[in-house]
Amino acid sequence: NAGVTQTPKFRILKIGQSMTLQCTQDMNHNYMYWYRQDPGMGLKLIYYSVGAGITDKGEVPNGYNVSRSTTEDFPLRLELAAPSQTSVYFCASSYSMTQTAAFFGQGTRLTV
Amino acid sequence: GQQVMQIPQYQHVQEGEDFTTYCNSSTTLSNIQWYKQRPGGHPVFLIQLVKSGEVKKQKRLTFQFGEAKKNSSLHITATQTTDVGTYFCAGNAGTASKLTFGTGTRLQVTL
Repeated sequence: NAGVTQTPKFRILKIGQSMTLQCTQDMNHNYMYWYRQDPGMGLKLIYYSVGAGITDKGEVPNGYNVSRSTTEDFPLRLELAAPSQTSVYFCASSYSMTQTAAFFGQGTRLTV
Repeated sequence: GQQVMQIPQYQHVQEGEDFTTYCNSSTTLSNIQWYKQRPGGHPVFLIQLVKSGEVKKQKRLTFQFGEAKKNSSLHITATQTTDVGTYFCAGNAGTASKLTFGTGTRLQVTL
C-alpha cells in the first residue's frame, strides 16, 4: 500500500524555470492538499482540493497552480521559479475534511 | 483568516521530565488533530479530537480539546529520546474544507 507518493524527492531550479511536483494517492481519498514548509517553520497551505475538478486557494497560492483531473493525482505547478519558493513541499490527502487523518507524502525539497 | 498558534516554540527537556504544548485558534474549530514530525521527516497523524472538553490518551501522551473548541493541549509524561520532533496541531474552522496547521512546538530530549 503506497499511500501518498511525491516525485521528485529533490530538485534544483534556476530562477525563471518551471516545474511540476507530482502527487498521487491510492487510498481513494477525496481531499488533497499542498503545503510548503520553510526551514524551522510550520506548514502553510498552498492549494487544496475536495474532489476531482475542484480546487481552491490556501494561504500562500501566489506563484503556484494546481489541477485535479482525477481522484488520485494532484500536481503542483511552479511557472516562474523564484528564490522565495525554496522550501520543502508536502502533499497530503484525507478521506473527508473532518473525521479522518491527513496522510502525508515524503516531501519534495526544492532549491531555487 | 484563521490563525493557529502554538506555545512554546521550542522546549528542551531531560529524559524523564514532562512536556506540554498548547494550541490556540483564532476561530472555533470543528475538530483538532495532532501530528508529529521527526527531524527530516514528514508529519504523521497522532490523534483527532472532535467533542468539546474531550480528553484522549495514547500511552504517555494526553490530548485535550478545550470547552470552547478554540484551544487544545498535548502533554507527554516522562519524555523519552524517541519523543524528539516537532508537534503540530491542525484544525478545520467551522465548515471550512481547508486544514490549517499550528506553528508547531519543537521538542528536544536529552539524557
